Amino acid sequence: DAGVIQSPRHEVTEMGQEVTLRCKPISGHDYLFWYRQTMMRGLELLIYFNNNVPIDDSGMPEDRFSAKMPNASFSTLKIQPSEPRDSAVYFCASSLGGAGKLFFGSGTQLSVL
Amino acid sequence: GIQVEQSPPDLILQEGANSTLRCNFSDSVNNLQWFHQNPWGQLINLFYIPSGTKQNGRLSATTVATERYSLLYISSSQTTDSGVYFCAVYSGGSQGNLIFGKGTKLSVKP
Repeated sequence: DAGVIQSPRHEVTEMGQEVTLRCKPISGHDYLFWYRQTMMRGLELLIYFNNNVPIDDSGMPEDRFSAKMPNASFSTLKIQPSEPRDSAVYFCASSLGGAGKLFFGSGTQLSVL
Repeated sequence: GIQVEQSPPDLILQEGANSTLRCNFSDSVNNLQWFHQNPWGQLINLFYIPSGTKQNGRLSATTVATERYSLLYISSSQTTDSGVYFCAVYSGGSQGNLIFGKGTKLSVKP
């Protein structure tokens, strides 16, 4: 298996623009997670899905953030409008079972100018 | 909520040395995982270890769930071991919410 695949690897955008991050989980995994990593706050769980259904979005910072999982092999995290404080590395991860071994994608480095 | 504390926060080693990283947690856990974030930012799952001991090459991990700690051993360290090591735990009833420690930053000098 190719592992968890994220795109793009790097994204530079201007404040106010819409940003869409993409993720393909490992085939067969039923849980998908979106994390954000910053120097100040470390790794934060934003939202997770089970069988394509959002289970807990309490970590989503505000209404500007939204996430979808239209099918078992694809998820998006959208920020609209983006702000400089959204600059961070965003990771997607997947697991088999809610407490299963967690596998991370390579991350998307987002810079909002 | 459950607290996860890692020590030491920073560690500098000479290549070939051994080291032990510690993870303490404040409550009973369903399982514990160790991750390595390399200098390029990739997060690699090293161990899935709710209890007992596992070994993978030069790395091994031991979790003593009843005493609420886990140890990661690195033997004969190499420069490629540099990076940040995180432990993370699932607490009971919180499936999906993996709680991460702040990490131990390891630098291995040639």
